[in-house]
Amino acid sequence: EVQLVESGGGLVQPGRSLRVSCTASGFTFGDYAMSWVRQAPGKGLEWVGFIRSKAFGGTTEYAASVKGRFTISRDDSKSIAYLQMNSLKTEDTAVYYCAYYDSRKDAFDFWGQGTMVTVSS
Amino acid sequence: SSELTQDPAVSVALGQTVRITCQGDSLRTYYASWYQQKPGQAPVLVIYGKNNRPSGIPDRFSGSSSGNTASLTITGAQAKDEADYYCNSRDSSGNHLVFGGGTKLTVL
Repeated sequence: EVQLVESGGGLVQPGRSLRVSCTASGFTFGDYAMSWVRQAPGKGLEWVGFIRSKAFGGTTEYAASVKGRFTISRDDSKSIAYLQMNSLKTEDTAVYYCAYYDSRKDAFDFWGQGTMVTVSS
Repeated sequence: SSELTQDPAVSVALGQTVRITCQGDSLRTYYASWYQQKPGQAPVLVIYGKNNRPSGIPDRFSGSSSGNTASLTITGAQAKDEADYYCNSRDSSGNHLVFGGGTKLTVL
C-alpha cells in the first residue's frame, strides 16, 4: 500500500525557517519525482516544486513564488523528501502536501494527507 | 494568476451529466490531469492523459481535450461526487506545473 506521510509542520514566525518531511512507503521511491503542493486556507492548490529522480539528474524546479527561498531535496536511502523553507512569509501559510509525480502519466499519482504550516508573529 | 482557467462553481442535478472545463495555452501541447478534493481530504487523481482513469475511479468519470480546453465529464453524477475539482498541467515552458483555480461541483 502506497503511503506518503508529511511531518514537521507547525507555527513559525515570519522570516524564520522550517523544514517539512515526506516519508514514503509502498513503492520504489527512487524511481519517481517527488513534488510539493500547498493549499492556503480556503484557497486552491498551488504547485510549489519538485525534485526529479536520480535517473533524470535529481534536479529541481520551483514555482516563482518560492524560488530562492525554498529547497527540495531527497534521501532515496530513507525514502524521504524534504522541503526546506527559508525567509517565510505570512502568505506561505498553507497545508503542504507531498505527492509523487509519475512522469509516464504526467500526473500526481498519490498524495499524502498534508502538514499545516502557519507563519505568524 | 493561474495559467489554467476553470469556472469557480458548477452545479448538476442528481443523475445528470456535467462537464467541468479547464482552459490554457499549454493545453494545446500537454494533457491535463484532474483531481477530486473533498473537504478536509487530500486530492485524488481521477483522470490523466488522453482519457485514463486510475484503478478504483468509476467509469462515470471521463476526460477529453480540444484545442486549448480540457474537460472532465461526469456521466450520471452522484451525491458522492460533490467536491472541488482541479485541473493540472505543465506550463508553457514545459518545466513547471500549474493548477487551475478549481471548480466547486454541487450535486442538486
